Amino acid sequence: DAKTTQPNSMESNEEEPVHLPCNHSTISGTDYIHWYRQLPSQGPEYVIHGLTSNVNNRMASLAIAEDRKSSTLILHRATLRDAAVYYCILRDLISGYSTLTFGKGTMLLVSP
Amino acid sequence: EAGVAQSPRYKIIEKRQSVAFWCNPISGHATLYWYQQILGQGPKLLIQFQNNGVVDDSQLPKDRFSAERLKGVDSTLKIQPAKLEDSAVYLCASSSTDSSSPLHFGNGTRLTVT
Repeated sequence: DAKTTQPNSMESNEEEPVHLPCNHSTISGTDYIHWYRQLPSQGPEYVIHGLTSNVNNRMASLAIAEDRKSSTLILHRATLRDAAVYYCILRDLISGYSTLTFGKGTMLLVSP
Repeated sequence: EAGVAQSPRYKIIEKRQSVAFWCNPISGHATLYWYQQILGQGPKLLIQFQNNGVVDDSQLPKDRFSAERLKGVDSTLKIQPAKLEDSAVYLCASSSTDSSSPLHFGNGTRLTVT
């Protein structure tokens, strides 16, 4: 599986936007970019995914660079409940049984 | 929809003892995963089932770990005998057969081996 690089931690203030970066310079053409987050004492939860175009859903936005070698997860207004570890994962959806390979992720700290 | 159910929530055992974890996936989800998460690290895949068949168990320590998914629904992960380094959170996840569908995780079982 292609690897991703994320900062170990980031800090934000409540109600401010947060931009979480992810580098994936060895991404292949069939890799989708997935983001999951893990709140304390819970299992990971799906946030968003995309291939080439920017994506929006109720939780966040995903901005994908034109060359696809990097992406940014955007939380438009951080809340205290957004404090979690955020994982950027490449998932090959061409292979028949594609799974998720997690790195260490970015720990997001949100201050009131 | 009901989420992925796991039990027990916590388990403390002594080394060399055996332990079993249970997972009930979301109804209709054909794919089931077991992950191990050691403190401070991301989850690591142990085994993946498609219905009741094993798709990937390349990272499962087969000398002590075993897993089964009878009838393609519930699953059990067993460790026998346990070692100190098995202390971790064991996460179960499920997904539909659509390869683009997200994984849904349970809240895990926290195992402490003393």
